Order: sequence, then structure tokens, then C-alpha cells
Amino acid sequence: TQLLEQSPQFLSIQEGENLTVYCNSSSVFSSLQWYRQEPGEGPVLLVTVVTGGEVKKLKRLTFQFGDARKDSSLHITAAQPGDTGLYLCAGLNTGFQKLVFGTGTRLLVSP
Amino acid sequence: EAQVTQNPRYLITVTGKKLTVTCSQNMNHEYMSWYRQDPGLGLRQIYYSMNVEVTDKGDVPEGYKVSRKEKRNFPLILESPSPNQTSLYFCASSLLGPLRSGRLYEQFFGPGTRLTVL
Repeated sequence: TQLLEQSPQFLSIQEGENLTVYCNSSSVFSSLQWYRQEPGEGPVLLVTVVTGGEVKKLKRLTFQFGDARKDSSLHITAAQPGDTGLYLCAGLNTGFQKLVFGTGTRLLVSP
Repeated sequence: EAQVTQNPRYLITVTGKKLTVTCSQNMNHEYMSWYRQDPGLGLRQIYYSMNVEVTDKGDVPEGYKVSRKEKRNFPLILESPSPNQTSLYFCASSLLGPLRSGRLYEQFFGPGTRLTVL
């Protein structure tokens, strides 16, 4: 089973702080997605990245796909309480023809 | 409204009592899958289906069965539930499967079913 390790596992910060969440693997992924999950709901797609080195911005969220396509990061600028949730990365490993989800990062942003 | 629905949302049962969790999508998606979510383990795929009558095992299929008789429905069956199947279950659907297209489409998830097996 291919693994996507996320770090940190938990993150508790104050409103206005910046943070970065990491998604790492020893395997190469052809594309990668980030989802956010709120309590009592299923994950919702934030972004898909497909090219090594690609950077995508979604308002205060910046997503980067590593040059070697083995890792990705999510950076949030000036976090807000509405950013609270579980962040999951998911990668398509064409070598194993599998969609693999990361272990998750639980973010709490306090006012 | 485009959505994936699951029923029931919450279920408490006892060991060995057969149960079915239903999943239905109204987006005409070919690809459907079931995941379980456990703390610290993320989402692990149980079974997936590329189309009607086409199903295959995911990473943790033991103790589960599925069927895909209609495109919109993909029920998850636990023939003899055990306590280690206590978990939060999600059904998801998407346009085409990553295995066929080689492209990662958005996965649309249901609201989840919290199952407790005593």
C-alpha cells in the first residue's frame, strides 16, 4: 500500500497566523488533490495539481506540487476560524493504479 | 442538486448481524467507491466500481461486499459485522475512474455513515 504521510497531524493556531501543511511520499504521483473535511460532512475538493513544480492559489491558500511529484504543500496565509477542518491530500499513483489518501491534518483556528 | 446520499447516517449494531449501507448518486458518474475513515489512518478504500457490474477490491476489502446493479447505486454490505469494523464510512463518486482515464477527477463524497459494532 502506497502511503501519503501528512504533517503535522494536528495544528492549533490563532486567527491571523500563517501555516503550512505537508504531504509526503516515497512514490511518484501523476497528480495530487487537496480536500477539506468539516465535522459531520464528507471531504470537499479544494484543488488538483498535475505538473511537477506547479503552484496554485485559491484566495489565501497556496498549493504546491513538488518538482519530483513525490510531495505537496498547502500554505494558508492569515488563517481564519472558517479554515478549521481536516485537510487531506490524495494522490493518483499510476504505477500502482491507485488513488491514495493521506493521513490527514486537523487544523483548529481560534478567534 | 448534485449529490451523493448515504443511509443510514448513524447505526449501532451487534456482532454478526448483517447490515447494508446504501449509497446513491445523481450525477451519472461511472466511478463509485467506499472508504472507511479511522483516526490517524486517513481514508482507506474498501471497494470501488468502474461501471455497472464491475467492482474490485481496494486496500481493506476483508469483511465487506458490494454490488453495482445500477449506475446510481453502490451499496456496502457487511455480512457478519465485527467490532473492528466500527468506523466512519464514506461513499464517493466521480467522472470516470483514475484507472481508466489516468486522470484524477474530483471525488464527490456522501455525508458519511458512522457505524458502531458492539
